[in-house]
Amino acid sequence: QEQLQESGPGLVKPSETLSLTCNVSGGSIDSRSYYWGWIRQPPGKGLEWIGSVYYSGYTYYNPSLKSRVTISIDTSKNQFSLKLNSVTAEDTALYFCARQTAVAHTVVSPWGQGTLVTVSS
Amino acid sequence: SYVLTQPPSLSVPPGQTARITCGGDFLESKIVHWYRQKPGQAPVLVVSDDRDRASGIPERFSGSKSGNTATLTISWVEAGDEADYYCQVWESSSEYVVFGGGTKLTVL
Repeated sequence: QEQLQESGPGLVKPSETLSLTCNVSGGSIDSRSYYWGWIRQPPGKGLEWIGSVYYSGYTYYNPSLKSRVTISIDTSKNQFSLKLNSVTAEDTALYFCARQTAVAHTVVSPWGQGTLVTVSS
Repeated sequence: SYVLTQPPSLSVPPGQTARITCGGDFLESKIVHWYRQKPGQAPVLVVSDDRDRASGIPERFSGSKSGNTATLTISWVEAGDEADYYCQVWESSSEYVVFGGGTKLTVL
């Protein structure tokens, strides 16, 4: 089973762009069987799905974040990335990357360990 | 937007049965998955496709659904079961993943 690891800056200034990368090991990211997704969790709160990307570059986004989010994939590096622009303090959260099954009733598993991103000046 | 409703908290004595519910409109026509998140850890899949236990999950964990309510049942609750539990579906009309608000299980 794949292992996923998030990386990126832990501190982002308000109005700037949050950028994270997820490196996938133990399997190929260009599998037709999976999507690759991002989920976040504000401190002390629940899970919020951000979006996911297929090996082809096709994406699904949470409607509430769609205007600010871009998820991309780099199959040559076996990694995928998240960009969230115009961030505010409300975007402070633990950000997880995860694998999703490429079926209508998608399952999110496994997950990376998560990386904390704080939005502050 | 689609909403999955879970009780915020549930307290159960050791050895008893915990039943964590997840409600939503038209849930009977959706497929529900359950995750467990222990403090400081990433969520882990517990039950998929309404009732299928994930690999490595004890038989004490079971999933079911009746009408618009899905239930995660944990029999013979142990201290190690203390965690936050989340339900999840795919909302097909708007094409996005929805998580319930989570239920904090406390073993008294």
